[in-house]
Amino acid sequence: GDSVTQMEGPVTLSEEAFLTINCTYTATGYPSLFWYVQYPGEGLQLLLKATKADDKGSNKGFEATYRKETTSFHLEKGSVQVSDSAVYFCALSERSKLTFGKGITLSVRP
Amino acid sequence: NAGVMQNPRHLVRRRGQEARLRCSPMKGHSHVYWYRQLPEEGLKFMVYLQKENIIDESGMPKERFSAEFPKEGPSILRIQQVVRGDSAAYFCASSPSGAGSNQPQHFGDGTRLSIL
Repeated sequence: GDSVTQMEGPVTLSEEAFLTINCTYTATGYPSLFWYVQYPGEGLQLLLKATKADDKGSNKGFEATYRKETTSFHLEKGSVQVSDSAVYFCALSERSKLTFGKGITLSVRP
Repeated sequence: NAGVMQNPRHLVRRRGQEARLRCSPMKGHSHVYWYRQLPEEGLKFMVYLQKENIIDESGMPKERFSAEFPKEGPSILRIQQVVRGDSAAYFCASSPSGAGSNQPQHFGDGTRLSIL
């Protein structure tokens, strides 16, 4: 079945550091890929998405490129802020339902 | 422009009681999804519904759990005879009618269920 694997966390960075969060997936077809972010006590918010190979999703300085050859969708940001501290989930969608990775907690120090 | 509304935000039940979780989708959305988040885990799909129809319930436990999305009113996730292992955050999401796999789902803030 479909699955999403995220790198182990948590991750702690200093403000303005470069961020990479790895995500790889397994799917039988051609899924859409998403990154969601969850702030404490809240639901998930869509951060960015890509619907086909080589698409790049971007939002709020975050980027991720749909790499079919490596089945990856790594999240990057050039300069993180304290306000980026949250839990980040990689997900794929086939036949409407979402399959999530376990999530990774990012903490950004001032 | 209200988002997905879930209530209650927190629900405490004793073992053996029933829990009812409600979800009102975003305006204009007729597809509803329920997910469960256990501590330190990602979200797991439970069920996908359209108005008056269950489309996919492959993630629902076979016993004690049921879901509905009536023609009028919110979607309800019902857990009968709750046990400690049901303690989790339950999230509802919705998407527009005619959603395909590339339509993003919009999430509510969740209901945190605690079983004493």
